[in-house]
Amino acid sequence: EIVLTQSPGTLSLSPGERATLSCRASQSFSSSYLAWYQQKPGQAPRLLIYGASSRATGIPDRFSGSGSGTDFTLTISRLEPEDFAVYYCQHYGSSRTFGQGTKVEIK
Amino acid sequence: QVTLRESGPALVKPTQTLTLTCTFSGFSLSTSGVCVSWIRQPPGKALEWLARIDWDDHKYYITSLKTRLTIAKDTSKNQVVLTMTNMDPVDTATYYCARTLAAAPVLGASDFWGQGTMVTVSS
Repeated sequence: EIVLTQSPGTLSLSPGERATLSCRASQSFSSSYLAWYQQKPGQAPRLLIYGASSRATGIPDRFSGSGSGTDFTLTISRLEPEDFAVYYCQHYGSSRTFGQGTKVEIK
Repeated sequence: QVTLRESGPALVKPTQTLTLTCTFSGFSLSTSGVCVSWIRQPPGKALEWLARIDWDDHKYYITSLKTRLTIAKDTSKNQVVLTMTNMDPVDTATYYCARTLAAAPVLGASDFWGQGTMVTVSS
């Protein structure tokens, strides 16, 4: 089973700043099977990125994904107030596992 | 538009069997490449993928819970049912169902989610 480790656990930033979230896998896999989700309190997760770098429908272009092999990154170029949330990466190949999440909080 | 809604008991006793129903609209589970997944989230914790059923009735389960889970679909009713046997307090969580697209380019991400249903396991 592939284990995904996200870092940092919490990211404290101000609106307008750039956020860089990491997702590291215990073994290499195709970037075609890596997604990022956003979850706000009391809400269901929302798909942001699939295939490591493709934005889902309606997702603003300030969200971008990159990476390959075992190292993947979600970047939010300029944080908007509505972007403060928890972000999860997911491998949806053979294992279908989630990372433990990164909370992006207001500094 | 695509919607999913989970339903089931809010409270179950330890050792009981949990049955959850996902009722969806806006898509068909008989369409090639369309799947429905179940994911849960204990209070304050991370998401955990549980199971998936595909348009062709292929089924996938999390290894650690495979003996306790059963997923099934009723295409005519636009429903997917998840049963989990021998419930324990550690199974207390919000349970989500989600549409999952196995076809390219998405290849298995979940693009639409229900709002979730909270299940508490307690005597």
